[in-house]
Amino acid sequence: KAGVTQTPRYLIKTRGQQVTLSCSPISGHRSVSWYQQTPGQGLQFLFEYFSETQRNKGNFPGRFSGRQFSNSRSEMNVSTLELGDSALYLCASSPSGTSGPLGTDTQYFGPGTRLTVL
Amino acid sequence: DQQVKQNSPSLSVQEGRISILNCDYTNSMFDYFLWYKKYPAEGPTFLISISSIKDKNEDGRFTVFLNKSAKHLSLHIVPSQPGDSAVYFCAAIGGGGADGLTFGKGTHLIIQP
Repeated sequence: KAGVTQTPRYLIKTRGQQVTLSCSPISGHRSVSWYQQTPGQGLQFLFEYFSETQRNKGNFPGRFSGRQFSNSRSEMNVSTLELGDSALYLCASSPSGTSGPLGTDTQYFGPGTRLTVL
Repeated sequence: DQQVKQNSPSLSVQEGRISILNCDYTNSMFDYFLWYKKYPAEGPTFLISISSIKDKNEDGRFTVFLNKSAKHLSLHIVPSQPGDSAVYFCAAIGGGGADGLTFGKGTHLIIQP
């Protein structure tokens, strides 16, 4: 089974621009989550999509948005880029994104997109 | 405020010995805990997990222990192998996953020959 794929792998943008990142989940997985990894803050949850709807959202400004298509592929958009948005953006997929003490769908991560904002 | 803490940024262990990676958490709502392993230029790879209703889970060379009263978990790798050299992230989730996975900042494990 193919893993989670993310495109592009590397991206360089300038302040004020916008960027769109793409994620293709594992076949059959309907939940897609996005995370930002920076040296200072570590891995932080951005949002989760399930069945084309944003189901959960982390503590990030509205400049960060996303969407999910009917084939479960997801895109993440960052508008009005700031220097601090430079990070590794990771996408993770799971079958249903369910979570509880009796079990949690394992999230499988893609290789990430390295975004550099100049 | 960091809800999941890995206080050792790095750990060096001799090949064949036991590696013990530690993780502390503060949020009582967490009900499931996971360990991920990450190599450079790759995304995190799931390693092992444990539910809050258990205190131990074992998978081959990897064992995770959970002490709920101390809000502490640890990952034991026995015996340690060169391929285990990587960054290990502790992660927690709760509340039905509303806040996604909450990660620690990672521990860089170095296995020395």
